[in-house]
Amino acid sequence: QVQLQESGPGLVKPSETLSLTCAVSGYSISSGYFWAWVRQPPGKGLEWIASVSRDGKTDYNPSLKTRLTISMDTSKNQFSLTLSSVTAADTAVYYCGRRYGDSRHFFDFWGQGIKVTVSS
Amino acid sequence: EIVLTQSPGTLSLSPGERATLSCRASQTVSSYLAWYQQKPGQAPRLVIYGASSRATGIPDRFSGSGSGTDFTLTISSLEPEDFAVYYCHQYGVAPIAFGGGTKVEI
Repeated sequence: QVQLQESGPGLVKPSETLSLTCAVSGYSISSGYFWAWVRQPPGKGLEWIASVSRDGKTDYNPSLKTRLTISMDTSKNQFSLTLSSVTAADTAVYYCGRRYGDSRHFFDFWGQGIKVTVSS
Repeated sequence: EIVLTQSPGTLSLSPGERATLSCRASQTVSSYLAWYQQKPGQAPRLVIYGASSRATGIPDRFSGSGSGTDFTLTISSLEPEDFAVYYCHQYGVAPIAFGGGTKVEI
């Protein structure tokens, strides 16, 4: 069974950089598929943020692209997200997930989520 | 970018009733459409992928249909544990996107 666990700060100051990590167990991220981040602002819907494939190919939400970096650390079987210049609009629960499929990829496993608040 | 519009926003039903949720895409996504269930304080859970394939462990009262731009999630007879928010997700055309959700409430 694939399991994902997010970690990172629960509180970030405006204009600073948010860094999150997703530790994966039960599957080697270098074996395949895509690994991704999704966020959910309080009381709102889901927003895809970024994805990375096993060979390091990245894909970003165009509305956030200039502030994002997603990367993988296969030695630790984890992947990470950085979001720079955060504002209150970045306050959300951040989920990591595995995107599974042959040519197109849906989310089959999700982490439990980490709540991030942007406030001074 | 493809926009997914879910309707209705809220569906008020009773246990045992049939639920029909709609998801409309602004452009064709073929059959690359998934549905997720989310309960308060929990992560989303995959229900349907490929427009009509049930995910592992999902009961057969859940069914998905459609292709192109119009999709439907049907719950044939609501159980108490089915009351939740449901999101559709297109993964056929970059950038991938989610719909705004339909809340199924008692």
